[in-house]
Amino acid sequence: EVQLLESGGGLVQTGGSLRLSCAASGFTFSNYAMSWVRQAPGKGLEWVSTISYSGYNTYYADSVKGRFTISRDSSKNTLYLQMSTLRAEDTAVYYCGKGGGDYSAFDIWGQGTMVTVSS
Amino acid sequence: AIRMTQSPSSLSASTGDRVTITCRASQDVSRYLAWYQQKPGKAPKLLIYAASTLQSGVPSRFSGGGSGTDFTLTISSLQSEDFATYYCQQYYSYPLTFGGGTNVEIK
Repeated sequence: EVQLLESGGGLVQTGGSLRLSCAASGFTFSNYAMSWVRQAPGKGLEWVSTISYSGYNTYYADSVKGRFTISRDSSKNTLYLQMSTLRAEDTAVYYCGKGGGDYSAFDIWGQGTMVTVSS
Repeated sequence: AIRMTQSPSSLSASTGDRVTITCRASQDVSRYLAWYQQKPGKAPKLLIYAASTLQSGVPSRFSGGGSGTDFTLTISSLQSEDFATYYCQQYYSYPLTFGGGTNVEIK
């Protein structure tokens, strides 16, 4: 079964850091671009970041550029999002998704992990 | 950034109704357009990609059309399980962008 499972969310203070993980299974992880998409409470979907299948190319939304870093470990079939200098407006459910690169839609989504940034 | 504008933002419909949602891109995205369905507390689900290609397992009552800047999602006969929020998304260029969503409610 194709599956993505996020972890690492939680409550963090403004200015703090957090690392999200997304464990992939059921497909050849190293063949696909992977992405993070977030959704603030009661709001719509916002793309955050994409990493190419090789890991060589990364892309970020302006709202997180310079604060968030996307990476992947194909030996562990795991996608990461290192988040630093967190702000209240980063509070959201963070989803990992398969796709977003090479003209591909997000065909598989994880269940999401909640990140709450509070002072 | 390419802005995606959906309309309407919400609609009320009855089971069996034909429903059409529109999505307009602020610039040409060719056919790199996807539609997602999201139910409360759940992750989005891909319905349609490449503007009109039905994702595997999605019922045929869903269809997509359009190219360039104007796109539609049509549900031919609304079922109870279709009440949800629908989003369009362009994947033509970065930053990838979503429409604001259309909430389909029970009349």
